[in-house]
Amino acid sequence: DAGVIQSPRHEVTEMGQEVTLRCKPISGHDYLFWYRQTMMRGLELLIYFNNNVPIDDSGMPEDRFSAKMPNASFSTLKIQPSEPRDSAVYFCASRPYRGSHTEAFFGQGTRLTVV
Amino acid sequence: KQEVTQIPAALSVPEGENLVLNCSFTDSAIYNLQWFRQDPGKGLTSLLLIQSSQREQTSGRLNASLDKSSGRSTLYIAASQPGDSATYLCAVQYYGNNRLAFGKGNQVVVIP
Repeated sequence: DAGVIQSPRHEVTEMGQEVTLRCKPISGHDYLFWYRQTMMRGLELLIYFNNNVPIDDSGMPEDRFSAKMPNASFSTLKIQPSEPRDSAVYFCASRPYRGSHTEAFFGQGTRLTVV
Repeated sequence: KQEVTQIPAALSVPEGENLVLNCSFTDSAIYNLQWFRQDPGKGLTSLLLIQSSQREQTSGRLNASLDKSSGRSTLYIAASQPGDSATYLCAVQYYGNNRLAFGKGNQVVVIP
C-alpha cells in the first residue's frame, strides 16, 4: 500500500478563498483523522470518522471548516472562507480497527499558507 | 484536562551517545502510547506503540518504557547516529477515546 496520500502538498491562497484538502486513507482502515499542526499549538485533532461517519468534530475551529468522507477511500477538509490564521500543516491519518491497539499512519501533510 | 508534555523542546547530543527522551501525561486512564518521528517538512512515522498493560517495547536501537503510576514514558535510542536527527513526538490514546493527544515534541540533533 502507498500509505496515506494527501493532496496538494502545498497550497497558497488568498484570504477569503475556498480551500479543499484531500486525503486517501490506507485501504481497509476504519478510522480517518484530520489533524492540524502549528508551532504554537502543536498537533490538534480537528475531526475523525469511523467507517465514513463523522464521530467527533469538536476540534473543528469554526463553521468555516467542514469535512466529508463520501466513501471509504476519500475524504476532504474544506475551509471557506480561508483566513491567514488558518495557515498550518494539515495532516490526515488512518488506523485500522482490529479489536485492540493499532497504530495510526499519517500522510505527508498539506502545508497551507493563506495570505 | 488530558495534557501531554515533552521537555526539553530541543536537545543536541554527540554521535554515539544514548538518547533519552521523556514524555509526561496527566491522566492515568491511558489506553496506549505511541512514539512518532517527524523529519522537517514530512509526515509522522510511527516508531513504537506501547499498550497500557505493557512496561516496555523494543525495536532495534529503540526502546520505549511506560510507567502509568508516574504518568511517564521514556524513549531510549541507543548509540545515536546523525540520521536520528528529527523531532520525536509522543501521543497518548485514552480509554473511551479514539483521538491521540500529542506532546509538542523533542527536536533532536545528533552531532557527528
